[in-house]
Amino acid sequence: RKEVEQDPGPFNVPEGATVAFNCTYSNSASQSFFWYRQDCRKEPKLLMSVYSSGNEDGRFTAQLNRASQYISLLIRDSKLSDSATYLCVVRGAGGFKTIFGAGTRLFVKA
Amino acid sequence: SAVISQKPSRDICQRGTSLTIQCQVDSQVTMMFWYRQQPGQSLTLIATANQGSEATYESGFVIDKFPISRPNLTFSTLTVSNMSPEDSSIYLCSSTGTGGTDTQYFGPGTRLTVL
Repeated sequence: RKEVEQDPGPFNVPEGATVAFNCTYSNSASQSFFWYRQDCRKEPKLLMSVYSSGNEDGRFTAQLNRASQYISLLIRDSKLSDSATYLCVVRGAGGFKTIFGAGTRLFVKA
Repeated sequence: SAVISQKPSRDICQRGTSLTIQCQVDSQVTMMFWYRQQPGQSLTLIATANQGSEATYESGFVIDKFPISRPNLTFSTLTVSNMSPEDSSIYLCSSTGTGGTDTQYFGPGTRLTVL
């Protein structure tokens, strides 16, 4: 089993749609959780951290369920500019080993 | 935060040769990381580089193939040795920056093609 697993994608959605990405992790001792965005031929950049209480940043909402070892990202009212690969990222106990999911590619169409 | 630069940005190399990639961070950081990202794949950690000690390599990566230097708190190099076409990939330098943040910052990557 992979340490971090994501929906394989790709997701093809029209502008304005709501899209949800799911991610599970295998190490129950994992400490920190993130969603990164990677545009084509660019480096990954932090989209948002994920907290147990859930957090929202504009059209983006992230949720963490530690009991189920599950992380989600919801994008509302999707824009063309949201087209990218979304990476689920988990940092293990000890603070420094970071595991990246394989990513889910999102295509938002006009 | 951290601003990370890498060079070269890309290179095309002949098999059997070696390439050294340089990574510069705009602030002093404790830990720097080297990742590989093959086409259509996610990031795989090659090694963690601490200043003043040998790098710690992940399973499947060895020092003879990927020697790393970390001479100070702002700079690191990764060498890809005795290259083969299977080494064609994007190599990314990363750091968690300063201030105890969890955020991981990445350099723009080095796109390597081995013929």
